Amino acid sequence: ETGVTQSPTHLIKTRGQQVTLRCSSQSGHNTVSWYQQALGQGPQFIFQYYREEENGRGNFPPRFSGLQFPNYSSELNVNALELDDSALYLCASSSRPGDTQYFGPGTRLTVL
Amino acid sequence: QKEVEQDPGPLSVPEGAIVSLNCTYSNSAFQYFMWYRQYSRKGPELLMYTYSSGNKEDGRFTAQVDKSSKYISLFIRDSQPSDSATYLCAMDAGGTSYGKLTFGQGTILTVHP
Repeated sequence: ETGVTQSPTHLIKTRGQQVTLRCSSQSGHNTVSWYQQALGQGPQFIFQYYREEENGRGNFPPRFSGLQFPNYSSELNVNALELDDSALYLCASSSRPGDTQYFGPGTRLTVL
Repeated sequence: QKEVEQDPGPLSVPEGAIVSLNCTYSNSAFQYFMWYRQYSRKGPELLMYTYSSGNKEDGRFTAQVDKSSKYISLFIRDSQPSDSATYLCAMDAGGTSYGKLTFGQGTILTVHP
């Protein structure tokens, strides 16, 4: 086990709703990255937070936003959910940007 | 065209076989190359990490990087049923993009007894 936990495990939402996903990083890891993994695809980078500041963003619209807290926890928020947002959302923590990333088990989001 | 292409499609091999997994990439900025293994209902776990052309060996696993051809491979010797998983290649350009991984689409490997 990596020590990275995510909640909830599964989530079902309706199109247009908002969702918050949570991640708890390994102790001492001040970098967290979020990825979206569609069924049958590899993970796609959403954004990274380092010391509570956004430190790079992938090709995702502004309705995807995040927060990182001093206690090694972080959130991914998605507004105005669309059907294509259905995916496994993974968070990964590392001691600093570029170091080995340790992934959590993911949250499976289904948008109906 | 995707930055990282991973082939072949689903693989099914007998126990003890040698497995070859491959990725090609188009972005010459990629400097760091990784292979992750992902079991069903789990997050990816790092198997191998390399940053230079050549071979790196770790037990039954060998990672190969050819930067001139923009091609990386993972070889698994004496494959075991416990190796059955999805294998993902991942790449990192470093610099201001350090830690923002670009993944291939994954190869599902099944090793049958």
